[in-house]
Amino acid sequence: QQQVKQSPQSLIVQKGGISIINCAYENTAFDYFPWYQQFPGKGPALLIAIRPDVSEKKEGRFTISFNKSAKQFSLHIMDSQPGDSATYFCAASKIADKLIFGTGTRLQVFP
Amino acid sequence: DVKVTQSSRYLVKRTGEKVFLECVQDMDHENMFWYRQDPGLGLRLIYFSYDVKMKEKGDIPEGYSVSREKKERFSLILESASTNQTSMYLCASSSVVPRETQYFGPGTRLLVL
Repeated sequence: QQQVKQSPQSLIVQKGGISIINCAYENTAFDYFPWYQQFPGKGPALLIAIRPDVSEKKEGRFTISFNKSAKQFSLHIMDSQPGDSATYFCAASKIADKLIFGTGTRLQVFP
Repeated sequence: DVKVTQSSRYLVKRTGEKVFLECVQDMDHENMFWYRQDPGLGLRLIYFSYDVKMKEKGDIPEGYSVSREKKERFSLILESASTNQTSMYLCASSSVVPRETQYFGPGTRLLVL
């Protein structure tokens, strides 16, 4: 049972464009929503995370938008760069519980 | 700098072989995890451990076992490797609360022939 649904599976964006990756969850008990970034040949690394008491969190060019009523959250990458080309995973968890990961989005940014 | 290391980057084994994947973390983390990563399926949790000698099944434990004899080391064991266990295996660790930042190793790509 997929508790966190991620889309799209792959995304191609031109340099300077906005990349948007969406995730939806079912369990209303989830209260922590991180995004992980994975470059080829590397393990995933935490990129940015949000808790449901805020609707948006921004770190540089990366923004998480959170819609609690719709049970959705998304990652926006502004001014996308070729160096952002990677696989992105959303995740969710309940208090003191393990992470449930989405299926991943492969982002390619072309010059 | 935090570090999670995995014993092998690439491994080729034959069906029926016993396979050991080793993971070591140098951050004194209580929690350690084994995932497998497959295209279109994301990261799926195989087993995790909250403490030495403690282990809990994840979402796909069938065909796997684990061992944690020391805090820094978490081993994944394939008792009798099968072709459907060909995958990328990722180890991760985190501090006390499981959901806090997980630090991943570089992964072991296992091919079972």
